[in-house]
Amino acid sequence: DAGITQSPRHKVTETGTPVTLRCHQTENHRYMYWYRQDPGHGLRLIHYSYGVKDTDKGEVSDGYSVSRSKTEDFLLTLESATSSQTSVYFCAIRGTGELFFGEGSRLTVL
Amino acid sequence: KNEVEQSPQNLTAQEGEFITINCSYSVGISALHWLQQHPGGGIVSLFMLSSGKKKHGRLIATINIQEKHSSLHITASHPRDSAVYICAVSQMNRDDKIIFGKGTRLHILP
Repeated sequence: DAGITQSPRHKVTETGTPVTLRCHQTENHRYMYWYRQDPGHGLRLIHYSYGVKDTDKGEVSDGYSVSRSKTEDFLLTLESATSSQTSVYFCAIRGTGELFFGEGSRLTVL
Repeated sequence: KNEVEQSPQNLTAQEGEFITINCSYSVGISALHWLQQHPGGGIVSLFMLSSGKKKHGRLIATINIQEKHSSLHITASHPRDSAVYICAVSQMNRDDKIIFGKGTRLHILP
């Protein structure tokens, strides 16, 4: 199994608070992705990274920011969480083609 | 129209039946991925293929590049195969872009 971990796995927070999710890999893969998964929508790309300090927006990036200061870590930040950001968040990495996913982070914004 | 279409959306079958899930796509690809997600669970990569056929245990994946179509087959299905199966494509010349289908929910009855 690929070495990819997400933290926290579960979080409940209140509207307006900042939240940071962490994705950590031990594979030294170039590409890292953050997705959200919601019923009826499947997986939607929030942001992705193609190297240290190289990131770009996905289709649902509003309200989210990311940072990648080291190859192994890709952070997703909700500056001011809203109820519409209640979701399951998945991190993924891609090396020589194959995709590997983290176990998901369930975020509830009250 | 979605760039990656899966059929059927839902499938219920009896244990032991031969299962086929289809995926059609409309973009040029460098690879196609089949993923599995159990209820409440993480996402696991089953296959990555760019041509021909791959087999792993009771699972077989095929792809026809000319027809832009892939199938995932499960032989001798078992209740533990109950999951959502997701087709995804890595778009050609776009290392960053992965397009996901909405998934096929499979339920195998004992």
